Amino acid sequence: GQQLNQSPQSMFIQEGEDVSMNCTSSSIFNTWLWYKQDPGEGPVLLIALYKAGELTSNGRLTAQFGITRKDSFLNISASIPSDVGIYFCAGKGNEKLTFGTGTRLTIIP
Amino acid sequence: DSGVTQTPKHLITATGQRVTLRCSPRSGDLSVYWYQQSLDQGLQFLIQYYNGEERAKGNILERFSAQQFPDLHSELNLSSLELGDSALYFCASSATPRLAPYEQYFGPGTRLTVT
Repeated sequence: GQQLNQSPQSMFIQEGEDVSMNCTSSSIFNTWLWYKQDPGEGPVLLIALYKAGELTSNGRLTAQFGITRKDSFLNISASIPSDVGIYFCAGKGNEKLTFGTGTRLTIIP
Repeated sequence: DSGVTQTPKHLITATGQRVTLRCSPRSGDLSVYWYQQSLDQGLQFLIQYYNGEERAKGNILERFSAQQFPDLHSELNLSSLELGDSALYFCASSATPRLAPYEQYFGPGTRLTVT
């Protein structure tokens, strides 16, 4: 099935570092969502974006809806151990969500 | 806790068998979505129901079927199971598919192991 391209695929960082990841698509979306998934658990919604250019924060997380409507970015500031997991972007065109391939975040002690 | 419940949490069965996975959406949500996630893979959309009717289909195999009941809970039926069907199956719900908010809230998943 169709998936969005997320990069990087994986990240290894030290606690306290900032993190940036992005999601790109060949299609235009009218909504972008960012989810975090812990191993064996369901994805948890972090941030929802509804308007091109929109910048939204949720604590240490900030996400942006790209101006072209074909991309979105997620930044995590001052990472902490509980940030470990897989981050998925999801774009909504009509009614269906299309999910990205995921970015796996690992924090090195 | 997203408010979406799924049962069972784990399911182990043999090839050729049939299983049923159950999902209860968040209170007030009319739309239910089913996803499959194989090991270290992304989420593959299977099927969506809205207020009891099928709304959209993704890459759902013919051996799989789903329905949404009048009380809005949904069941995903998987038959003639193959080893490759082993995966996490997630249910998600949203208020309505055409009006904001469009956010989908996911349940904890059912881990299916086919041996």
